[in-house]
Amino acid sequence: DAGITQSPRHKVTETGTPVTLRCHQTENHRYMYWYRQDPGHGLRLIHYSYGVKDTDKGEVSDGYSVSRSKTEDFLLTLESATSSQTSVYFCAISDYLDNQPQHFGDGTRLSIL
Amino acid sequence: TQLLEQSPQFLSIQEGENLTVYCNSSSVFSSLQWYRQEPGEGPVLLVTVVTGGEVKKLKRLTFQFGDARKDSSLHITAAQPGDTGLYLCAGPGSQGNLIFGKGTKLSVKP
Repeated sequence: DAGITQSPRHKVTETGTPVTLRCHQTENHRYMYWYRQDPGHGLRLIHYSYGVKDTDKGEVSDGYSVSRSKTEDFLLTLESATSSQTSVYFCAISDYLDNQPQHFGDGTRLSIL
Repeated sequence: TQLLEQSPQFLSIQEGENLTVYCNSSSVFSSLQWYRQEPGEGPVLLVTVVTGGEVKKLKRLTFQFGDARKDSSLHITAAQPGDTGLYLCAGPGSQGNLIFGKGTKLSVKP
C-alpha cells in the first residue's frame, strides 16, 4: 500500500474556527490532491499540487486553502469552518498527471457544528 | 462538463450470484479506472482500461471499456461477501484530477 497518512482521522469543531488537515506521503510522488466525499456528490477535487509551493484550485475550492512546503506534506486549511464543510476529506497522490491511478489515504472525517 | 453516471446506485444480492454495474458518460475518456472503497477507508484502484473495446479480468471481476470510450462495465461472477463495498469509476479530468462517478454500493449477503 502507498504510504499516505492523514491526520487527524476524526475531528469535531465549531463553526468559525480554523481547521488544518495534514497529508503526509513517503512515496516521493510529485502530485498531491485533496478531495471531499459527500453523499450524492461523490468525490470532488478541492485543490491539488504539482510540486513544492505549486498548487492550483479544483472544482470546489471556495473556503479552502492549501500549502505544500515539502514534497511529503500537503496541508488543507479551512480558514473559518462552516457547517457545509462537514465531510470526509481524502488526500491522494500520483506519480504523473495524466491517466495515472491515484493512491488515497484513509480519510479525515470532519464534523462542523 | 465531463460527468460519469453509475448504475445502479445500490445493489443487494446473495452470495454466488452474478452482477454487472455500469459507468456511462456522454464524453469520451482516454481511460477509465475502477476503484473499490470499503467503509472508513480510501478508494483502492482495481483496474485501468485504456483501449476502446478492451476487456480485463481480475479473478472473478471482468472490466470492459466501450468501443467509443464513453462507457465501462464491471461484471462480478459468483459474488462473495468480501466483494461488498462502494465501486467507483473515474476518468481523467481537465486539471489532472480524476472525475468520479457517485458509485455503486454493493452488498453481498452470505
